[in-house]
Amino acid sequence: AQTVTQSQPEMSVQEAETVTLSCTYDTSENNYYLFWYKQPPSRQMILVIRQEAYKQQNATENRFSVNFQKAAKSFSLKISDSQLGDTAMYFCAFMRGNEKLTFGTGTRLTIIP
Amino acid sequence: ETGVTQTPRHLVMGMTNKKSLKCEQHLGHNAMYWYKQSAKKPLELMFVYNFKEQTENNSVPSRFSPECPNSSHLFLHLHTLQPEDSALYLCASSQDIGNINEKLFFGSGTQLSVL
Repeated sequence: AQTVTQSQPEMSVQEAETVTLSCTYDTSENNYYLFWYKQPPSRQMILVIRQEAYKQQNATENRFSVNFQKAAKSFSLKISDSQLGDTAMYFCAFMRGNEKLTFGTGTRLTIIP
Repeated sequence: ETGVTQTPRHLVMGMTNKKSLKCEQHLGHNAMYWYKQSAKKPLELMFVYNFKEQTENNSVPSRFSPECPNSSHLFLHLHTLQPEDSALYLCASSQDIGNINEKLFFGSGTQLSVL
């Protein structure tokens, strides 16, 4: 079974700074997808960014980018120029083939004004 | 607003009560899901429905009973719950299942407390 590990239960950073959230996963597969979901205080989970394992180029969505290290099975999320609205729980997730998403335990990120 | 609406937002119930959680999606999706979110644990997939048919039940206790009358509505009927069932219950939908490109759309969840 696949596992997803987020080793940082909580993080905080000053507004406008850059923060990196870590995620590692365990799989023997070669083709899979990785995701970062954001859950703000409203509780609605929102997809932030996704990465296909077969793509070497790191995915980017505006201020959000990933550092995908396939050999190390690492998938970190970098948030640049952090904003107060970035305060949320962030979940890393893994999906293989036609199977369902496997989530990590989440990192609670607080942006300090 | 992602088009997935859950009610109620909060629910407190005793162990002998019977209650239901409701989820409605306005996105024209064919697949709907129930997830359980407990503190410091990964999200747990409970049930999956595709075209109103249950396609997955992840060993969920029978005190949780899902119902999907149509592709837009999903219910979770609760009876004789235990305090450890207290959690945030999230509903999600997607266009299809078994598609590597599927994107999940989540509701805001029902925060359930069992006393």
